[in-house]
Amino acid sequence: GQSLEQPSEVTAVEGAIVQINCTYQTSGFYGLSWYQQHDGGAPTFLSYNALDGLEETGRFSSFLSRSDSYGYLLLQELQMKDSASYFCAVRQVRGSTLGRLYFGRGTQLTVWP
Amino acid sequence: GAGVSQSPSNKVTEKGKDVELRCDPISGHTALYWYRQRLGQGLEFLIYFQGNSAPDKSGLPSDRFSAERTGESVSTLTIQRTQQEDSAVYLCASSLGQAAYEQYFGPGTRLTVT
Repeated sequence: GQSLEQPSEVTAVEGAIVQINCTYQTSGFYGLSWYQQHDGGAPTFLSYNALDGLEETGRFSSFLSRSDSYGYLLLQELQMKDSASYFCAVRQVRGSTLGRLYFGRGTQLTVWP
Repeated sequence: GAGVSQSPSNKVTEKGKDVELRCDPISGHTALYWYRQRLGQGLEFLIYFQGNSAPDKSGLPSDRFSAERTGESVSTLTIQRTQQEDSAVYLCASSLGQAAYEQYFGPGTRLTVT
């Protein structure tokens, strides 16, 4: 089966750096995505890693190690508006096609002033 | 351009009634997904449509749940004989194609079964 583990909660202060880890177990791994969801809002895409290494997009970076089945989302220069839930999601290969996304339970990030 | 739209935004129904939820994906997006999200929980996959391929229905929780998609456009999720545990936000997402890594989510339909 598939499983993803991420912390349920993380807190930090404005201006700080926070790392949200995600470990996964899956067959046919294709890629790891991160989504952000504010309370009452729809999830929005943040980043995607198919290969090992770091992907940087502004204040957010995402890392993947396929050999360790591990990734993380790094948020720098935290702002109050970054308070949200963050989900990691694994894309699976099924035979010759790409299957569904499997989402983790989400990490609630609270940024304090 | 327009994003993913869903209707209704809110639906309150009595236990035992059938409900139909609608999703309009972004034009040109061949892949469409339905998810369920209970309060404070993660996203639970329900069903995935990709072009003319047979849909992946592996996430549908019971035979009370079904979904259809007309070509590469509108999709409807139907829940028959609703139960209180069906209360949740139902999210629809679309993506450009099977290999596209970014899913675009609609605002969701909040379903309350009384």
